[in-house]
Amino acid sequence: EPEVTQTPSHQVTQMGQEVILRCVPISNHLYFYWYRQILGQKVEFLVSFYNNEISEKSEIFDDQFSVERPDGSNFTLKIRSTKLEDSAMYFCASSDNRADSWGRANVLTFGAGSRLTVL
Amino acid sequence: GEDVEQSLFLSVREGDSSVINCTYTDSSSTYLYWYKQEPGAGLQLLTYIFSNMDMKQDQRLTVLLNKKDKHLSLRIADTQTGDSAIYFCAEGTGRRALTFGSGTRLQVQP
Repeated sequence: EPEVTQTPSHQVTQMGQEVILRCVPISNHLYFYWYRQILGQKVEFLVSFYNNEISEKSEIFDDQFSVERPDGSNFTLKIRSTKLEDSAMYFCASSDNRADSWGRANVLTFGAGSRLTVL
Repeated sequence: GEDVEQSLFLSVREGDSSVINCTYTDSSSTYLYWYKQEPGAGLQLLTYIFSNMDMKQDQRLTVLLNKKDKHLSLRIADTQTGDSAIYFCAEGTGRRALTFGSGTRLQVQP
């Protein structure tokens, strides 16, 4: 069964350092997402990406964050200058974009996550 | 904004039924979802229900939706130790990003 893969599985970094989290979405999917979950809290939406541009983003996704699809397979999340509060599990997801308002569900397939620890 | 709330923890005995509850605020939600997360793994879609339905059954899983009260539940019949995981409720409309709850940790006692 096709899956979303994420690397690294765990990254430890010093506050102020740049971090890049990588994702390989399912090959025929068109919509890509980043979510994060701080320990014990909700799974929070960060950003969605379609047709090489951001389609939706949350208040969390400020100027410190950026996303990129550098080639035909990878989807990356960059945090420019990490803060302690960026420590979380970051999940990448993709969907085939067949959802519409009343017809079909938006079925997201998630990766196993990248745990980021900022010291 | 949209919000989804769940209780944090549920403990049941093996063989019993589990009922995990969820409330949401967005009355325009068209789909409600249940995801399962096992240790070290990502969120796996279990099932979803369209907002004009009030029940959906899929083997041991039964989803009940009370749209008036914005209440969603997931019933797992004959709960097994392999069902121990965190269960997330989510809501969404069209292609908009899903809004998740904080998850309910289900512990199944042998």
